[in-house]
Amino acid sequence: DTGVSQDPRHKITKRGQNVTFRCDPISEHNRLYWYRQTLGQGPEFLTYFQNEAQLEKSRLLSDRFSAERPKGSFSTLEIQRTEQGDSAMYLCASSGQGQSTDTQYFGPGTRLTVL
Amino acid sequence: KNQVEQSPQSLIILEGKNCTLQCNYTVSPFSNLRWYKQDTGRGPVSLTIMTFSENTKSNGRYTATLDADTKQSSLHITASQLSDSASYICVVSEGGSYIPTFGRGTSLIVHP
Repeated sequence: DTGVSQDPRHKITKRGQNVTFRCDPISEHNRLYWYRQTLGQGPEFLTYFQNEAQLEKSRLLSDRFSAERPKGSFSTLEIQRTEQGDSAMYLCASSGQGQSTDTQYFGPGTRLTVL
Repeated sequence: KNQVEQSPQSLIILEGKNCTLQCNYTVSPFSNLRWYKQDTGRGPVSLTIMTFSENTKSNGRYTATLDADTKQSSLHITASQLSDSASYICVVSEGGSYIPTFGRGTSLIVHP
C-alpha cells in the first residue's frame, strides 16, 4: 500500500454513460497526476495538479474528460458520454516536494470497462 | 518526440537465475530515470531513481545502471524469486518538465 487510494477499483458502464473516479493522494503531497493505461502498454499521462491548480493536460484528454482538485487534496476524474475506447486502467499518482526528481507514488488504479 | 524503448518485451526465466532488462531513451534534456515494478492489476511501485551524475543504483536484488552518454539504462535482477514476476517499466523525465515519459514495460515471468 503506497498511501494513495482510488475509488472505485472497478467500474463497468454502458456506452454513453458518465463515470467519475476519485483519488486520495498522500496527505502532504502537493502534486497529483492522472494516467491511463491500456493492456500491455505503459501509463500515458493525462493531466496533473499542483495543489488545486491544473497545470497541464495531455492532448489525450478530450472534451469529454474533466479533472478537478477543488481543495488541493483529493481529485476527481470524470468521463462524459463514455466510449468503448475509454476502457482502460486509470491510475492516480502523487508526489511531494515539487521537484522533478520526486518519486511518484501510484494508487491501485480504477479499471473501467465500457460495454 | 521523447521516446522510451524497452527490451525485451517479455522474458521467462527460472527461479534463482539472474536477468537484465534494457531501456533506451531519446528524452532531452535529461533529468532523471526511474525503474518501476508493476504487479498485475496494481499501480507501479518505484524501485530506483537516477539522475545524470549517477551511473548505478541498487535496491536489494535490483541494480539499475545508467549511461547518459549513450542514453541507455539497464535493470539487473539477481537471484530471481517468484514474486519478481511483474512488468518492469522504465520512466524518463525531461529537464524542466514534471511529466515523465513511460516505456511500455518488460513483462517478466519467473518459473519455479
